[in-house]
Amino acid sequence: EAQVTQNPRYLITVTGKKLTVTCSQNMNHEYMSWYRQDPGLGLRQIYYSMNVEVTDKGDVPEGYKVSRKEKRNFPLILESPSPNQTSLYFCASISRSTGTGIKDNEQFFGPGTRLTVL
Amino acid sequence: GENVEQHPSTLSVQEGDSAVIKCTYSDSASNYFPWYKQELGKRPQLIIDIRSNVGEKKDQRIAVTLNKTAKHFSLHITETQPEDSAVYFCAASTAGGSYIPTFGRGTSLIVHP
Repeated sequence: EAQVTQNPRYLITVTGKKLTVTCSQNMNHEYMSWYRQDPGLGLRQIYYSMNVEVTDKGDVPEGYKVSRKEKRNFPLILESPSPNQTSLYFCASISRSTGTGIKDNEQFFGPGTRLTVL
Repeated sequence: GENVEQHPSTLSVQEGDSAVIKCTYSDSASNYFPWYKQELGKRPQLIIDIRSNVGEKKDQRIAVTLNKTAKHFSLHITETQPEDSAVYFCAASTAGGSYIPTFGRGTSLIVHP
């Protein structure tokens, strides 16, 4: 089954304790991105990647790092989490037309990670 | 970069009424406009999309219209049902370009039985 997975789904941590949220997709998509969702602010992009070893900042990158060492994985790293990073996080990957019925530009979201930083 | 504005932020309708959500975008190079529905506690999921070579697209009770000249696009839901209650996001991106969409802030649609 084509999907994007994230782990963990829920995490409560304390200020300053480094954490990593993993993201993996099995659709061979080149494009992947991370969003945070906060009430009233919609989906704000943190980082995106257009291919292996190619990452770029989105709208709200401060306090986050990413890496793209393999095509399928795009982990989000919080080196020193702070309470203002409490949020719902979504990873996503984007299809490109393959001529086999896959819709070009369709974005697939992971199930979300609810992070609380105390 | 692209900027997408979405209105209204909240929309309350009675079951059976129509609902319209509007978005504007700033980058004339954008050519792909998807709409996502996010039910409470779930991930956003694509419900309909439109590309810049098309003015309107329908799928049962939902339709999307695009006015490239005015740089705006709209989602229309007819005969609303309580299960249509959700947050709806519009987005704009450039197929063949960065592919990374810019999202509107979302519209919370509430359908009262």
